[in-house]
Amino acid sequence: GQQVMQIPQYQHVQEGEDFTTYCNSSTTLSNIQWYKQRPGGHPVFLIQLVKSGEVKKQKRLTFQFGEAKKNSSLHITATQTTDVGTYFCAGRIIQGAQKLVFGQGTRLTINP
Amino acid sequence: GAGVSQSPRYKVAKRGQDVALRCDPISGHVSLFWYQQALGQGPEFLTYFQNEAQLDKSGLPSDRFFAERPEGSVSTLKIQRTQQEDSAVYLCASSLEGRNYEQYFGPGTRLTVT
Repeated sequence: GQQVMQIPQYQHVQEGEDFTTYCNSSTTLSNIQWYKQRPGGHPVFLIQLVKSGEVKKQKRLTFQFGEAKKNSSLHITATQTTDVGTYFCAGRIIQGAQKLVFGQGTRLTINP
Repeated sequence: GAGVSQSPRYKVAKRGQDVALRCDPISGHVSLFWYQQALGQGPEFLTYFQNEAQLDKSGLPSDRFFAERPEGSVSTLKIQRTQQEDSAVYLCASSLEGRNYEQYFGPGTRLTVT
């Protein structure tokens, strides 16, 4: 069954507002990756977090990995219409395993 | 360089037919993954290859699903006696060897079983 949960499932914001999606795992993750999927497209890699408490930034995007390595978040500051899409977290449950377990995704829509 | 390619992009099959989905990974990528993505859901892992070796097939939903990568490059996912619940987008991804590398996804094959 699903071991990586993501909330919210949907988020609609006005352009310029901030957006956050949260990812929670029932078990400790060895690392976590974030992907973005545009409508009709395929997942595209954004970033990977490996260390406990790690924070990484990509322009307006901030990614965090929890201290217990069971949760993660993606925060977008001042959304733009180009941010529209579904954001997925994907975690590696078992150390050394290649298998990624994806969350259900958060679909972001933006009112221009 | 070309990305991951998949064919066909769309496939309509009648219930009970067999289908074969092809994936061409990025050249030099050792790892290859197959995922199934239902509408509105995240990709679900099906199977993983390292070169020609299938190291994890724990996600294959039934023995009707079979995947191969005989020469360590192109891979084929075969579904026998398709059922309506098999309707989904089948995504292929490849990556460099090692668990700390990003996965590059292909455009997917949308399978509709009628």
